[in-house]
Amino acid sequence: DADVTQTPRNRITKTGKRIMLECSQTKGHDRMYWYRQDPGLGLRLIYYSFDVKDINKGEISDGYSVSRQAQAKFSLSLESAIPNQTALYFCATSDFPSGAYNEQFFGPGTRLTVL
Amino acid sequence: GENVEQHPSTLSVQEGDSAVIKCTYSDSASNYFPWYKQELGKRPQLIIDIRSNVGEKKDQRIAVTLNKTAKHFSLHITETQPEDSAVYFCAAQRTGANNLFFGTGTRLTVIP
Repeated sequence: DADVTQTPRNRITKTGKRIMLECSQTKGHDRMYWYRQDPGLGLRLIYYSFDVKDINKGEISDGYSVSRQAQAKFSLSLESAIPNQTALYFCATSDFPSGAYNEQFFGPGTRLTVL
Repeated sequence: GENVEQHPSTLSVQEGDSAVIKCTYSDSASNYFPWYKQELGKRPQLIIDIRSNVGEKKDQRIAVTLNKTAKHFSLHITETQPEDSAVYFCAAQRTGANNLFFGTGTRLTVIP
């Protein structure tokens, strides 16, 4: 879905480096999410945001931070990368009207390798 | 929080056969159950979902069933085709909760 984009698509870095992954969306959705995907572990939520002033921790937020710069932009930072943060990272968005459930739209993913 | 378990982790079927993937959940208040398909190297995409006021939902060759008493739901794919080969994720969410809880995924391989 070209409406949700992530940069970079691939990144190799070294232990201790600071890394920022960026997500942009043109869908006009208020809700944005960052997930991590590891083989055999599925998709695990790192952080989510329901609007520019709202940031919430997910199930695996330790070692990560986020910034919601605008409705359309949500960035994930690794302040000091470590090898076990090597994974595929997905950004997602959703439109969640009160009383309804809406699907999440995923970005193309960022493959991060920490050496 | 919610805990979603998914089985099997891998599944191989012959083209034309049916495939069934099963998930269980722990939070009895969960009432929304989507299924996502992730093709190799691609992003997850919603293929079907079911809400707790419905026991079964069909969309062409795919169907999802829900048993709220037993807290499990299943994805059924009939007449499988090679393009069905992918990783499938189930998920659960309850009213008022802020996020989905995903299962660990099932890699389905359809053998031509």
